This record gives sequence, C-alpha cells and structure tokens, in this order.
Amino acid sequence: DVKVTQSSRYLVKRTGEKVFLECVQDMDHENMFWYRQDPGLGLRLIYFSYDVKMKEKGDIPEGYSVSREKKERFSLILESASTNQTSMYLCASSLSGQGWYGYTFGSGTRLTVV
Amino acid sequence: QQQVKQSPQSLIVQKGGISIINCAYENTAFDYFPWYQQFPGKGPALLIAIRPDVSEKKEGRFTISFNKSAKQFSLHIMDSQPGDSATYFCAASISPTDFNKFYFGSGTKLNVKP
Repeated sequence: DVKVTQSSRYLVKRTGEKVFLECVQDMDHENMFWYRQDPGLGLRLIYFSYDVKMKEKGDIPEGYSVSREKKERFSLILESASTNQTSMYLCASSLSGQGWYGYTFGSGTRLTVV
Repeated sequence: QQQVKQSPQSLIVQKGGISIINCAYENTAFDYFPWYQQFPGKGPALLIAIRPDVSEKKEGRFTISFNKSAKQFSLHIMDSQPGDSATYFCAASISPTDFNKFYFGSGTKLNVKP
C-alpha cells in the first residue's frame, strides 16, 4: 500500500514560532502537495512540488514556505505562526501524469497556534 | 473564488435511504471529477471518479451522475449504511497533466442513522 506519513498528528505552537510539518511518502511519487482543511472551506492548496527542489505556489501560499530536498520528503514551514493558521494540514502525493489514480493523502496534522 | 461548489454542507439520512451530494463547476477545461471519502482522523481517500465522456459511473452502491451541459455532477449512495458516515469531497482537475492539481469542493458531512 502507498503510504503517506505525516510526522505529527497534533501540534500546539505559540504565535511567532517557526513550525515545520513533515511528510514522507514511500512510493516514489513525483508529485507532492500540501493542503489545509477548514470547515466549510474544504481543502485548499498551499504549495505543491513536482520534482526535487521544485515548488509551485498553490491558492493560499501566504505565510508558508516548503522544502523538498529529497523525492520522498516534502516539508511545510510556517515562518512565524499565527492564530489564523490553526487548521488541519494534509499532505498528499501522486504519480506524474496519473491523475486518474488520484492522490494518496496522509492522515493529517492538526495544528493549533495559541 | 471556489472553483467547485458543493452542497449540502451536511446531510442526515436513514439507514437504507439514498444520499445525494451535488457539485457544480465553471471551468469547462475540467475533465476529471473524483470523489473522496474521509473518515474522522483519516485523510481523504479516492472513492470513485468520472470523466465527461460518460454520463454515469457506478461502483457498488456508489454512483456518479454527470451533466456536462449543466456543469454539474453528483454522488448517489444507494442503500446508505452507518458505515458510510463520513465527509465527502468532490473535486475537479484538468488531466492528464504532469502535476495533477485538483480543486476540491467544501465537503459534505454525511450521517447515516441506524
């Protein structure tokens, strides 16, 4: 089974802290994505990457950055956490050009910024 | 601006009933429409998907109906069971692309009462 593993299930951070959310996939997928999930807003794309060291902004990149130094690992960075970044964060991966197989999602990291 | 609009936000159905979730889109370039199912504490998982060259796709108790002219598609769950209680997301993308970016609806929380 394809696995997408997010390092933390729950995180509580203070306003202004630098926060790292880690995601690892074990199926050699080229594409990786970070979404945030909020009630009534669905899943919104923050950043995605289609290759090592490559990144593209999604629909809501402000306040976030990403890093992809290895194919299997995609990190989301909150440079200075704010309370409006309290959310569920979902990482996903997919094979290049295989959109009809959809994404494989991780179980999510619920981040609370206090 | 949400590219895919989903309704209702929540749905309560009796066991054995039919659950219907609707989605609408504007971008006529979309040509792949998956549905994802998310159980509490888990990431979304691909449930069923359709391409616009067919008007209906059925997999077990789950059916997607697609109306290209109206730019609408819907998920029907026949003989709904308590185990179907989950949040459902519709999505759309332009495929195939190298990095298959999906646009998600806002989600529908389904509760099937025994």
